[in-house]
Amino acid sequence: AQKITQTQPGMFVQEKEAVTLDCTYDTSDPSYGLFWYKQPSSGEMIFLIYQGSYDQQNATEGRYSLNFQKARKSANLVISASQLGDSAMYFCAMSLSGNTPLVFGKGTRLSVIA
Amino acid sequence: EPEVTQTPSHQVTQMGQEVILRCVPISNHLYFYWYRQILGQKVEFLVSFYNNEISEKSEIFDDQFSVERPDGSNFTLKIRSTKLEDSAMYFCASYGQQLSNQPQHFGDGTRLSIL
Repeated sequence: AQKITQTQPGMFVQEKEAVTLDCTYDTSDPSYGLFWYKQPSSGEMIFLIYQGSYDQQNATEGRYSLNFQKARKSANLVISASQLGDSAMYFCAMSLSGNTPLVFGKGTRLSVIA
Repeated sequence: EPEVTQTPSHQVTQMGQEVILRCVPISNHLYFYWYRQILGQKVEFLVSFYNNEISEKSEIFDDQFSVERPDGSNFTLKIRSTKLEDSAMYFCASYGQQLSNQPQHFGDGTRLSIL
């Protein structure tokens, strides 16, 4: 069974600074995908970024990048140049293939301070 | 951009009553899911649906739950006799398998409150 661990219940970051949200995962399957979702206070789940287990390079999407360290089984999300609108819950998730159920971590609440 | 739509956005129901949550997945997607998020907790998988049948379900998805795709567009979750602990946000998601790095697309959720 897969497991996602997010050890930071809450994080604070100054506006315009970078922040790293930690995520470690556990699976015995060699093929998997890792995802980050953002959940604002309004409740919807917004997809941010994806990393495949066989991808050679770290994924990037605008201000989001994923620091993928396969040997350490970590997939940390880096948000550069934080904005007030980045304040939200952030969930790390994984699945063994695109159509299998996602397994989520408990999330990290990010607060961006002006 | 196509999106998953869920109705209603908020449902208040008396304990013991039946409730149906509705979802319209993205039109060319083939896989459909329901997830649940109890307030302040993580998102949990309930059930997945493919080719008009359940493909996988979690231990949460007991006999009180059922899913249906009654026509070509809607995907519903029914809770037969609601309990207080069913109060949660319920998310529908769909997946299209066009590319390997595509995510499951989530709807905005239905907040279910059981009184």
